[in-house]
Amino acid sequence: TQLLEQSPQFLSIQEGENLTVYCNSSSVFSSLQWYRQEPGEGPVLLVTVVTGGEVKKLKRLTFQFGDARKDSSLHITAAQPGDTGLYLCAGAQGNQFYFGTGTSLTVIP
Amino acid sequence: DAGVTQSPTHLIKTRGQQVTLRCSPKSGHDTVSWYQQALGQGPQFIFQYYEEEERQRGNFPDRFSGHQFPNYSSELNVNALLLGDSALYLCASRLTGVETQYFGPGTRLLVL
Repeated sequence: TQLLEQSPQFLSIQEGENLTVYCNSSSVFSSLQWYRQEPGEGPVLLVTVVTGGEVKKLKRLTFQFGDARKDSSLHITAAQPGDTGLYLCAGAQGNQFYFGTGTSLTVIP
Repeated sequence: DAGVTQSPTHLIKTRGQQVTLRCSPKSGHDTVSWYQQALGQGPQFIFQYYEEEERQRGNFPDRFSGHQFPNYSSELNVNALLLGDSALYLCASRLTGVETQYFGPGTRLLVL
C-alpha cells in the first residue's frame, strides 16, 4: 500500500523554468520530509515540516505542508541543472516513515 | 562528525545465498531503520531497531532479519536470496523522539 503519491512522476524542464512537485495522501502525518537522491546514492534530507500550513524556504526551494498535514508541495524557482535528481517525500507516523513514489527531475541546460 | 556509513558499497550474490549488510549510525543517534529501494522507486521500509530490539516491521518476509548492537550499529541479514532482492539497501538513523532521519549511501545488492 502506497500511502503517499507524488506527481508528476517524471519532469523534464529547461534551465530557468519554475516547477512544483506534489505529495498527496489521505492519511495524516506528524511530520513530512523532502529528500533529493542522486543515482546510486542515499537520499539527502532537504527539509522537515511539522506544523500544518508551514512554509519553509531553502534558497530557490519552497516547501509547504498542507493545513491538514496530509499533503505537501515543493516549488523550485529558476531551476538549474544541479537540481536534477529524484525528489522524495516521506511522511512520519509513529516510528515509521512512509515514502512517496518519487519525482524524477531533469533540468536541461 | 561522521554521518551514517554502510558497508559494503556493492555486493554480488547468487540465488539461495545469504548476505549481511552493515550500518553505523550518525553519532548520537540510537534508532536505525532499513529500507529497500528498487530502481526508479521510493524506499520501502523493512524494519526499525531501537535498544537492540526490532521495534517495527514493514511488509517483508522472515528471510529478512536484523540486529542492533550496544553501540547502536546494525546489521541486515537476508537469507535464501531471490532475484527480486536485487536493490539498493539503505540504512537511516535518528535520535528517538526527533522526527528527522539521515540516510547512508546504501549498499547495492545484485542477485544473479
